[in-house]
Amino acid sequence: NAGVMQNPRHLVRRRGQEARLRCSPMKGHSHVYWYRQLPEEGLKFMVYLQKENIIDESGMPKERFSAEFPKEGPSILRIQQVVRGDSAAYFCASSPGAPPGTAQHFGDGTRLSIL
Amino acid sequence: GENVEQHPSTLSVQEGDSAVIKCTYSDSASNYFPWYKQELGKGPQLIIDIRSNVGEKKDQRIAVTLNKTAKHFSLHITETQPEDSAVYFCAASGSARQLTFGSGTQLTVLP
Repeated sequence: NAGVMQNPRHLVRRRGQEARLRCSPMKGHSHVYWYRQLPEEGLKFMVYLQKENIIDESGMPKERFSAEFPKEGPSILRIQQVVRGDSAAYFCASSPGAPPGTAQHFGDGTRLSIL
Repeated sequence: GENVEQHPSTLSVQEGDSAVIKCTYSDSASNYFPWYKQELGKGPQLIIDIRSNVGEKKDQRIAVTLNKTAKHFSLHITETQPEDSAVYFCAASGSARQLTFGSGTQLTVLP
């Protein structure tokens, strides 16, 4: 009964490189959310996707960040030309139905460090 | 948009005592209020949630109360144990479908 799986758990990149974070939702869940957490802060919403569609990307920076959730395979959060300020923990959550009001279950995150 | 404030930021209690964490929200259209527990190096774990048509919900040692008029909700943990030590987050969602999180409470249960 696997939960939300995220990989890699830790990712180190140099400034200017690309970072790809992957998320496999819980079985039966077709709604995926990405959140960012800075040290000692709460989680901040970035993007909400349903299979093959971006539903709400209001929390995602307009430049360098993109997300997808293809018909087959995991959801991907992609950060191009990373900068030091992108260092954070990135969490993915999934739910079986559309929000609001449906429980979101989180993975253990990807800790991104930018050198 | 929604704004969620959480207090206190740190809380220390003796083992066996109760702990209470409070949150307020700004969007009167919010109707779903989950609580998460986050341990070091892990993701948030859903521990209890409440919807706006309910005033209180209990699950063993954990309870949540909601006051829609005052726009605040609280987490109550009774008979605390050392394994309850973690960071607890409240959240709200409604007209904005995503969860808006509070800033977290570091709970320490002293043996």
